[in-house]
Amino acid sequence: AQSVTQLDSQVPVFEEAPVELRCNYSSSVSVYLFWYVQYPNQGLQLLLKYLSGSTLVKGINGFEAEFNKSQTSFHLRKPSVHISDTAEYFCAVSFNDMRFGAGTRLTVKP
Amino acid sequence: ETGVTQSPTHLIKTRGQQVTLRCSSQSGHNTVSWYQQALGQGPQFIFQYYREEENGRGNFPPRFSGLQFPNYSSELNVNALELDDSALYLCASSLGGQSSYEQYFGPGTRLTVT
Repeated sequence: AQSVTQLDSQVPVFEEAPVELRCNYSSSVSVYLFWYVQYPNQGLQLLLKYLSGSTLVKGINGFEAEFNKSQTSFHLRKPSVHISDTAEYFCAVSFNDMRFGAGTRLTVKP
Repeated sequence: ETGVTQSPTHLIKTRGQQVTLRCSSQSGHNTVSWYQQALGQGPQFIFQYYREEENGRGNFPPRFSGLQFPNYSSELNVNALELDDSALYLCASSLGGQSSYEQYFGPGTRLTVT
């Protein structure tokens, strides 16, 4: 069975600083990997996805993620965050169904 | 092109009652997935409908049931509500029943069971 672990429940960071949100997954088969963002009182919005090919994936809003098969990780990064990036971020793995991590609350402080 | 819509936005029910939540998929999408998101948790997969047939189910009891209509809109029905059913229910639509396809989420229905 597939599962996802988001290693940090909360990440506080100052505006314009870099950030990394960590995600590890477990699966015995090849899977697809996703990062979603959820703003307060809203549904989820896709940031980026890895299906195959290049292990560095670029998404919206300046985010990128790197798929590392040997470490079974799919960490999300942004070189310089803005106040508007404050939100909940979810890593997800998909094979027959989509499994989400528990989420990482990113808080960007001025 | 309209996005995924869900109704109602909020709902309060009493334990033991039944509830129906509705979802309209994005134009052109034939697959709808339902998720339960408890407070402070990630979404949990309930089930998926592809071309009006159930196409996968998560670890939820039979009192969670669903339907998909010919226009690909969908309903989630929950019978014999329990306090733990209080959550945000998210609907997502996609094109095709494959797990690689991007899912587009609606804003959710907040269900409170008292």
